Amino acid sequence: EAQVTQNPRYLITVTGKKLTVTCSQNMNHEYMSWYRQDPGLGLRQIYYSMNVEVTDKGDVPEGYKVSRKEKRNFPLILESPSPNQTSLYFCASSLSWRETDTQYFGPGTRLTVL
Amino acid sequence: SQKIEQNSEALNIQEGKTATLTCNYTNYSPAYLQWYRQDPGRGPVFLLLIRENEKEKRKERLKVTFDTTLKQSLFHITASQPADSATYLCALNTSGTYKYIFGTGTRLKVLA
Repeated sequence: EAQVTQNPRYLITVTGKKLTVTCSQNMNHEYMSWYRQDPGLGLRQIYYSMNVEVTDKGDVPEGYKVSRKEKRNFPLILESPSPNQTSLYFCASSLSWRETDTQYFGPGTRLTVL
Repeated sequence: SQKIEQNSEALNIQEGKTATLTCNYTNYSPAYLQWYRQDPGRGPVFLLLIRENEKEKRKERLKVTFDTTLKQSLFHITASQPADSATYLCALNTSGTYKYIFGTGTRLKVLA
């Protein structure tokens, strides 16, 4: 089944404790992206990757890191999480970056930073 | 700065009626606009894409219009059903970059 998977789905952590949220897709997509969703602010793009070893900042990259060593995986790293990073996170992928390529979203990761 | 606005208030309509949702954008000239559906606690799901040279696009009970003069897209659901209740998001791919901008979404509730 074609899908985007994220792990963990739920995470409660404390300020400053490094964490990684994994994202994997099985559709051989080139473009992958991370978003956070907050009430009243909608979906905001954190980072995106056009292909392996090619990543760039979205609109809200501060406090996050990403890597794209393999085509299928795009982990999101929070080196020192803070409470303002409490949010619902979505990973997405599309065949390429072209505007006609629709994005497929993962199920989401709900992160709480205490 | 570039901005997308959707009705922030929830839209309640009676089953069988047509729901119309609005997406307005400023400081931007997109070549395409996408609409997604999102159910509570789940990721958005793609519904329709419309190009700037297409005035209207249809898919089953869904219809999207795109007015580049008004900088507006309208999303219609005809013969609405309670199962259509969800949040609907519009999105643009920013020209000249590889970023996406999403609206905040409009929550639709179809009453039986």
